[in-house]
Amino acid sequence: TQLLEQSPQFLSIQEGENLTVYCNSSSVFSSLQWYRQEPGEGPVLLVTVVTGGEVKKLKRLTFQFGDARKDSSLHITAAQPGDTGLYLCAGYNQGGKLIFGQGTELSVKP
Amino acid sequence: DSGVTQTPKHLITATGQRVTLRCSPRSGDLSVYWYQQSLDQGLQFLIQYYNGEERAKGNILERFSAQQFPDLHSELNLSSLELGDSALYFCASSGGGTYYNEQFFGPGTRLTVL
Repeated sequence: TQLLEQSPQFLSIQEGENLTVYCNSSSVFSSLQWYRQEPGEGPVLLVTVVTGGEVKKLKRLTFQFGDARKDSSLHITAAQPGDTGLYLCAGYNQGGKLIFGQGTELSVKP
Repeated sequence: DSGVTQTPKHLITATGQRVTLRCSPRSGDLSVYWYQQSLDQGLQFLIQYYNGEERAKGNILERFSAQQFPDLHSELNLSSLELGDSALYFCASSGGGTYYNEQFFGPGTRLTVL
């Protein structure tokens, strides 16, 4: 069974700090996705990484796909209260179904 | 706004009852996916329909069933409800039937079983 493990589960930081969220698996994924979910809303796709070693930047967010395509990370620079939310990594398993990590609950305090 | 609508937003019912959740996909999207999100299990894929036909099945209980109608809206039916079925149920849609198409999620239906 392909599983995605995220760490940390909870993160509470002050505005302006940097943070990194990790998504790990013992299985190889052809691509990994990162979503952000706000309370009362559905997940929204932030990025898809498809090539081992790939780095993608979205303003203050930097996403990296591991060389072996088994892990990914999300780094946020100078976090803002608007970054608060649940961050989910996801990947398609061998059956073509989208599986999600347990999520990282981020709280950025002003 | 993702363009995916779900009704109702909240649903409170009792154990043993049956409920129907409704989803309207984005205009033009042929695929509809249903997911369940609970605190202990996280976000879990239940089932996918593509243009009216079942395309993929995940961890969907036998008490649950879904269908996609000719106008492409979908319904998820949950019967013989148990306390453990309390969760957020999300519908997502995408343009194609292949798994690499981006999925757009609706706002969800929060089901509470008392």
